[in-house]
Amino acid sequence: DIQMTQSPSSLSASVGDRVTITCRASQSITTFLNWYQQRPGKAPRLLIYAASSLQSGVPSRFSGSGSGTHFTLTISSLQPEDSATYSCQQSDSSPRTFGQGTKLEIK
Amino acid sequence: QVQLQQWGAGLLKPSETLSLTCAVYGGSLSGYYWSWIRQPPGKGLEWIGEINQRGSTNYNPSLKSRVTISVDTSKNQVSLKLISVTAAETAVYYCARGRGRQSGAAFDIWGQGTLVTSSS
Repeated sequence: DIQMTQSPSSLSASVGDRVTITCRASQSITTFLNWYQQRPGKAPRLLIYAASSLQSGVPSRFSGSGSGTHFTLTISSLQPEDSATYSCQQSDSSPRTFGQGTKLEIK
Repeated sequence: QVQLQQWGAGLLKPSETLSLTCAVYGGSLSGYYWSWIRQPPGKGLEWIGEINQRGSTNYNPSLKSRVTISVDTSKNQVSLKLISVTAAETAVYYCARGRGRQSGAAFDIWGQGTLVTSSS
């Protein structure tokens, strides 16, 4: 199985800050990397697919980059509603695997 | 707008069979893979397996011996059965639509989730 490792596991930032979350794959997954946002008690929501493509309806302050084994999710200007857990997921091979999640808190 | 509505028993005893159904409204099963994914309380997401409209399945090897995913095209539904559940498999179970590789094979639409508790 491909292992997905996110860092940090949690972070706290202020409204307007630029925030970056990192995801590393245990082997190359080219650009088959997706990012999800999950608020408490809710289902995950797709933010970014294929490493850098913005899902329809997602605000443009979210962006993704990377390829191979190293990927990042960036929120350019943090908003209060961005408080959530963010997870990466590889879709290059089976079984699909997820990172452990990064909990983002707004100060 | 495609929506997924899921249901099933929420309380099981250890060794019993988990059974959940996911109905697809506003769209077709065709052209997508339909996955089941679970999340234990306070933990990360685990992919269980997937099926397409033709009934072709793909399971997580860690669960393959105990899981069955099926499709009913006449009802636009997919179902999950997991036998011999343990207390450690208490989790929220989600169904999700998986796009093709040309669209990153991402899970773009999710059901509301069903909390399944396994306890004696």
